[in-house]
Amino acid sequence: DTAVSQTPKYLVTQMGNDKSIKCEQNLGHDTMYWYKQDSKKFLKIMFSYNNKELIINETVPNRFSPKSPDKAHLNLHINSLELGDSAVYFCASSQSGFRNTIYFGEGSWLTVV
Amino acid sequence: GDSVTQMEGPVTLSEEAFLTINCTYTATGYPSLFWYVQYPGEGLQLLLKATKADDKGSNKGFEATYRKETTSFHLEKGSVQVSDSAVYFCALTEAAGNKLTFGGGTRVLVKP
Repeated sequence: DTAVSQTPKYLVTQMGNDKSIKCEQNLGHDTMYWYKQDSKKFLKIMFSYNNKELIINETVPNRFSPKSPDKAHLNLHINSLELGDSAVYFCASSQSGFRNTIYFGEGSWLTVV
Repeated sequence: GDSVTQMEGPVTLSEEAFLTINCTYTATGYPSLFWYVQYPGEGLQLLLKATKADDKGSNKGFEATYRKETTSFHLEKGSVQVSDSAVYFCALTEAAGNKLTFGGGTRVLVKP
């Protein structure tokens, strides 16, 4: 049973396209996240949702739009893809409370050509 | 703001060697500390964590102790295996926001 699952795992697409990455967690957590890992392996938070409400929105282009239909799902939609969007996008979840562990999905490798 | 600094890699070792990866942090409050590991082509896995001063986290032969006085959380393993080759990330969370702040990652390569 995969705790945090995201699809697709690999995505190659052309500049200017719009794409979505989906994420689901079956851990019963109330908080979900999107993190971005760049080509140098640097990881940074993009968004965080608690009970479907946006609570963290780092400096991210507004071409990126998260959507949480319920607390077990958090999707990421990206409009007008650019070369610089190529990265690994990780979904994660936790129970609220900063001492709780954040669990990650396996990542979605996005390549924009 | 919060930050995590860890030694730059790559760290290349022979099998059965001792591994240390240094990690220091800056935080305004009292953070929880984590080590995550990323094996080649895979996602992030929690390796160990510690939530208060002098706590020792341990897993799979790895250990790290939360040292508040030196703001450090160094990762150690007494005898590494080829299968330990991965990128290791030190990270913290603070009460101000339930988010992980990561160090830059340290690539470890263990040779037979």
